[in-house]
Amino acid sequence: QSALTQPPSASGSPGQSVTISCTGTSSDVGGYNYVSWFQQHPGKVPKLLIYEVTKRPSGVPDRFSGSKSGNTASLTVSGLQAEDEADYYCNSYAGSSNVIFGGGTKLTVL
Amino acid sequence: EVQLVESGGGLVQPGGSLRLSCAASGFTFTTYWMTWVRQAPGKGLEWVANIKQDGSEKSYVGSVKGRFTISRDNAKNSLYLQMSSLRAEDTAVYFCVRGQVANLYWGQGTLVTVSS
Repeated sequence: QSALTQPPSASGSPGQSVTISCTGTSSDVGGYNYVSWFQQHPGKVPKLLIYEVTKRPSGVPDRFSGSKSGNTASLTVSGLQAEDEADYYCNSYAGSSNVIFGGGTKLTVL
Repeated sequence: EVQLVESGGGLVQPGGSLRLSCAASGFTFTTYWMTWVRQAPGKGLEWVANIKQDGSEKSYVGSVKGRFTISRDNAKNSLYLQMSSLRAEDTAVYFCVRGQVANLYWGQGTLVTVSS
């Protein structure tokens, strides 16, 4: 069971938008609408940003949005801010109670 | 306030065993799947295992099958991870997490170091 594929790094300038992809297979990302996205700052606990592909928990700014097409889910961060610099991870339900994470993407705000 | 507090981490020799515990509070424990996620130093998140509300279903990542056992005690609002035949590659911070995929609440983690 290989990790979902995320780009190792992404970057953007303040105010810009950046999109991070998360590619799996029809057995995980493509097969279920149970994709979540997490933000993790250094030394901190991961924070849930998006669940069930597009939903945001209370308190998460609407600058964060999620989508999915086929076997690839995406997280878009709009209006980049310095505090958005962090590691981002996706995860997906993979059937038979299994869950799989992506390898993570380091987002740099230039 | 939801709280997940892990304990039981530490230094263990290769081949050894360790039992992690997670004390949950602030929510109805019996209504949630519970999960263990780990993060090796400087590496990404890895799902380890999860367990259904009543303990009737359990699932594990391939690399720990046969070595780790997840369990829960709903009377004590507690989650456990019994780890045996530990390897150097099991060295990580282990997080207790509420839910199966949409993991809103995470504990602070407990560090397990496997080394001689």
